Amino acid sequence: GAGVSQSPRYKVAKRGQDVALRCDPISGHVSLFWYQQALGQGPEFLTYFQNEAQLDKSGLPSDRFFAERPEGSVSTLKIQRTQQEDSAVYLCASSSQTAGELFFGEGSRLTVL
Amino acid sequence: RKEVEQDPGPFNVPEGATVAFNCTYSNSASQSFFWYRQDCRKEPKLLMSVYSSGNEDGRFTAQLNRASQYISLLIRDSKLSDSATYLCVVNGVRDFNKFYFGSGTKLNVKP
Repeated sequence: GAGVSQSPRYKVAKRGQDVALRCDPISGHVSLFWYQQALGQGPEFLTYFQNEAQLDKSGLPSDRFFAERPEGSVSTLKIQRTQQEDSAVYLCASSSQTAGELFFGEGSRLTVL
Repeated sequence: RKEVEQDPGPFNVPEGATVAFNCTYSNSASQSFFWYRQDCRKEPKLLMSVYSSGNEDGRFTAQLNRASQYISLLIRDSKLSDSATYLCVVNGVRDFNKFYFGSGTKLNVKP
């Protein structure tokens, strides 16, 4: 389809394992966002890209979290040495304009055991 | 203090009822306001933008009160399909592209 695509949809990791979450935004959308949503909470901002430039990474909880979007399209969120508190749904969203509508993917649900 | 605060609910209402949610935001210089809807275990989707003059879309009315820094959403003639979590969203001031989400207000519409 033409929407935002995320993979994997579900990931179970052992504590200490590294994980990589992929986001394929809507074609032509220059803005891409990563959010973290814990159970019963609203999405919390992690980081934002405009094309390939990471303009804001202030929401990344620690230096174990790293995001990239090398060609201004697909983005990857990497979490190193996962901890139990990293368990959440990671949502990717893209937008075609400044402060415009966010189109979200279905999310990647990460469970760290 | 969180950027956006909402009453988590749940609001349990019968079909046909009118229900209203408020949310407050902390930064008086915020410029863009939205309501998103999130169904259980699904992604958020834009319900409506909130304009300074207020706006209406069918059974849904959104209002902005800048003086008191709150946004409201009114749903008239509630349907079973309105059951969802409603997320209040405000954009950042220093970074216009940064969106802050409230924790959401859960609505259950009962038959």
